[in-house]
Amino acid sequence: KNEVEQSPQNLTAQEGEFITINCSYSVGISALHWLQQHPGGGIVSLFMLSSGKKKHGRLIATINIQEKHSSLHITASHPRDSAVYICAVRQNTDKLIFGTGTRLQVFP
Amino acid sequence: AAGVIQSPRHLIKEKRETATLKCYPIPRHDTVYWYQQGPGQDPQFLISFYEKMQSDKGSIPDRFSAQQFSDYHSELNMSSLELGDSALYFCASSGLGQGIPYEQYFGPGTRLTVT
Repeated sequence: KNEVEQSPQNLTAQEGEFITINCSYSVGISALHWLQQHPGGGIVSLFMLSSGKKKHGRLIATINIQEKHSSLHITASHPRDSAVYICAVRQNTDKLIFGTGTRLQVFP
Repeated sequence: AAGVIQSPRHLIKEKRETATLKCYPIPRHDTVYWYQQGPGQDPQFLISFYEKMQSDKGSIPDRFSAQQFSDYHSELNMSSLELGDSALYFCASSGLGQGIPYEQYFGPGTRLTVT
């Protein structure tokens, strides 16, 4: 069993839909990251969370430390949001443990 | 704003050759992390450095070595390359420079192909 699991693995949506990606982890963490990876391979950090909720534009990330669960929400999705979204957790040593990723495709 | 720089962006090597990947962190970041992402796989942590000292080690093969220099850039040296070393190698940096303190910022990656 992976220490960080994401669901769904693949997600398709129509432009404008509200999207939720879930992440569950089984280890103690100091922070959780949501990352975006485009087909070219580059990784962009979207959020780093240790509690509560953060919002950036159309993206919202929440974390529940007690339940070891985080969600990434995309409002008013757009085709340019198509990417792989990765949940990664940071333990005390700062190295990241990555989830399996969620491949999102948004169609016009 | 300056980002993490990796060079080269693409590298093709033959089996048993050596390769050196370079990572230049965001200015004033003192910690560098290396990750390896094989085709269709999750990134895996290899090694990290803080203030030029190795701070953590993951699943890095003995054929690989890395170091962080006085200007905080880091190099990943890979010897006796194998076909399975073909992957995207990411570097990330963190610290008290620009951006959110201690958040890891990723470079664009170096795509290594071993033939």
